[in-house]
Amino acid sequence: EAGVTQSPTHLIKTRGQQATLRCSPISGHTSVYWYQQALGLGLQFLLWYDEGEERNRGNFPPRFSGRQFPNYSSELNVNALELEDSALYLCASSLLSQGNIQYFGAGTRLSVL
Amino acid sequence: GNSVTQMEGPVTLSEEAFLTINCTYTATGYPSLFWYVQYPGEGLQLLLKATKADDKGSNKGFEATYRKETTSFHLEKGSVQVSDSAVYFCALLQGAQKLVFGQGTRLTINP
Repeated sequence: EAGVTQSPTHLIKTRGQQATLRCSPISGHTSVYWYQQALGLGLQFLLWYDEGEERNRGNFPPRFSGRQFPNYSSELNVNALELEDSALYLCASSLLSQGNIQYFGAGTRLSVL
Repeated sequence: GNSVTQMEGPVTLSEEAFLTINCTYTATGYPSLFWYVQYPGEGLQLLLKATKADDKGSNKGFEATYRKETTSFHLEKGSVQVSDSAVYFCALLQGAQKLVFGQGTRLTINP
């Protein structure tokens, strides 16, 4: 069974550009979570989608946004990129009825130059 | 709010040594507890979990017991290997919510 897949693996952008990151959950999972792992800052919760709806967001500015598609895959969009947005972005999927245990993808490393 | 505190790293051990990484939590109610591992250049892998008090999670020789009385979930392994070198994260989860992570502990095992 395929795990959580994220694309691209690496993404290089310049300040002010927009970045789009993609995530495909484990088959059957309906929830997708996004986390940011910036150097020295640990893992910070960004966004949670379930059944196509945004359910919760972390303490990030509105230029971080996303959506979940009918097939439960998800996109994370970061507008007006800043240098401090450079980080590893991790996606996790889960099924609420199975204890909401979250399984992670390998991440997308975003570098903002 | 909920929080997780892990022992500060980095931790360096010799192969076959005994490992303990301490984790304590603050939460209302009865969260589920997890250990995730992150190998260099990779995402997080679920190592083990426990969903109620006194549960013991185990995987790949690692163990952790959910201790409600001490609000702890310490990770242990009897004999570590070089391949165990990674960053370990303790985390808690309450229902349909986000994971709350500790700061991570970098473990290096020398041959």
